[in-house]
Amino acid sequence: DVKVTQSSRYLVKRTGEKVFLECVQDMDHENMFWYRQDPGLGLRLIYFSYDVKMKEKGDIPEGYSVSREKKERFSLILESASTNQTSMYLCASSPVGAGGNTIYFGEGSWLTVV
Amino acid sequence: RKEVEQDPGPFNVPEGATVAFNCTYSNSASQSFFWYRQDCRKEPKLLMSVYSSGNEDGRFTAQLNRASQYISLLIRDSKLSDSATYLCVVSYGANNLFFGTGTRLTVIP
Repeated sequence: DVKVTQSSRYLVKRTGEKVFLECVQDMDHENMFWYRQDPGLGLRLIYFSYDVKMKEKGDIPEGYSVSREKKERFSLILESASTNQTSMYLCASSPVGAGGNTIYFGEGSWLTVV
Repeated sequence: RKEVEQDPGPFNVPEGATVAFNCTYSNSASQSFFWYRQDCRKEPKLLMSVYSSGNEDGRFTAQLNRASQYISLLIRDSKLSDSATYLCVVSYGANNLFFGTGTRLTVIP
């Protein structure tokens, strides 16, 4: 089975802190994604990566950055956390051509910024 | 206009009922279609892909209507365990995935 692992499940951070959310997938997928999910807004794409060291902005990249130094790992960074970044963050991966292939999600990281 | 729209519900149905959800999409170039299931505070998981000819998996039937640009999910003989949020996903091209906001279903004993 495909496994997408988000190492931090529940975090509480203070405003202004730097936050790292790590994601690892074990299926050698080329594509990796970071979404946030908020009530009534659904899933919104923050960034995606289609290869090592490659990244593309999604719909809401402001306040976030990403890093993909290895194929299996995709990190989301909040340089200076703010309360409006309190959310559930979902990492996902898929093989090349996500349009025709399944996207697999990690279990989610619940971030609260106080 | 949103790329994908779903009725958020909630749909509250008794056990054994048949329930159907629709999802409309705006881009006629959309190529692939999926239904995902998401339990409370869990990640979305693929329920089924949706093919042009329609497809069935046990009590679940998915259909695609390209002319009217919608996909549907039919659940027959609802079980308590079917209670969840159902997300429709539409894509076109590489890495262009659009999620609906989800339809919440509660099956009542």
